[in-house]
Amino acid sequence: LAKTTQPISMDSYEGQEVNITCSHNNIATNDYITWYQQFPSQGPRFIIQGYKTKVTNEVASLFIPADRKSSTLSLPRVSLSDTAVYYCLVGDIGNTGFQKLVFGTGTRLLVSP
Amino acid sequence: GAVVSQHPSRVICKSGTSVKIECRSLDFQATTMFWYRQFPKQSLMLMATSNEGSKATYEQGVEKDKFLINHASLTLSTLTVTSAHPEDSSFYICSARSLSSYNEQFFGPGTRLTVL
Repeated sequence: LAKTTQPISMDSYEGQEVNITCSHNNIATNDYITWYQQFPSQGPRFIIQGYKTKVTNEVASLFIPADRKSSTLSLPRVSLSDTAVYYCLVGDIGNTGFQKLVFGTGTRLLVSP
Repeated sequence: GAVVSQHPSRVICKSGTSVKIECRSLDFQATTMFWYRQFPKQSLMLMATSNEGSKATYEQGVEKDKFLINHASLTLSTLTVTSAHPEDSSFYICSARSLSSYNEQFFGPGTRLTVL
């Protein structure tokens, strides 16, 4: 499983756009990139997943360059409730899905008023 | 979306006792369930992977005789912490993967275990 590297923490203010970049230099051809959000004392929550280029859903966008060695999670106009830890994971979905998820350190995002 | 529940949400026990934590997939069948442990301010650490009807696969360093995992049905997996000690105090989280949504794992809300 490809190892990921993220900033330990980030600070932002309400209404700003937040971009969290994740490095995964050893990503394999079959690996997908998935981001999870975790609030204190709760289980992680799926945010977005992608393979290449750009993916957008109702809560975030995921930008993946052509070499796929990094990815950027973009949160538009964050609010206080976006304060959480964000995890970037890479793994091979394959025919039977992710065999297992290995969580890195994550990025602790603090949104202030 | 798919819902995974855990019971209990919080448990306090005396050292030496055993504690069972249940993980249920409420609206889907989970062929594979995963158990994680998370210490304060740290990331999730995968403990084991369990497939319905077969023995769990434990990660390196996780004692299978101490952390008993049973996945007897497609909607239920249990983790039993045997002879719990204070160092086992942690946040235990399960996740489940379904056949219909193979590219996503759904996480439970977690169980806070405190061993006195």
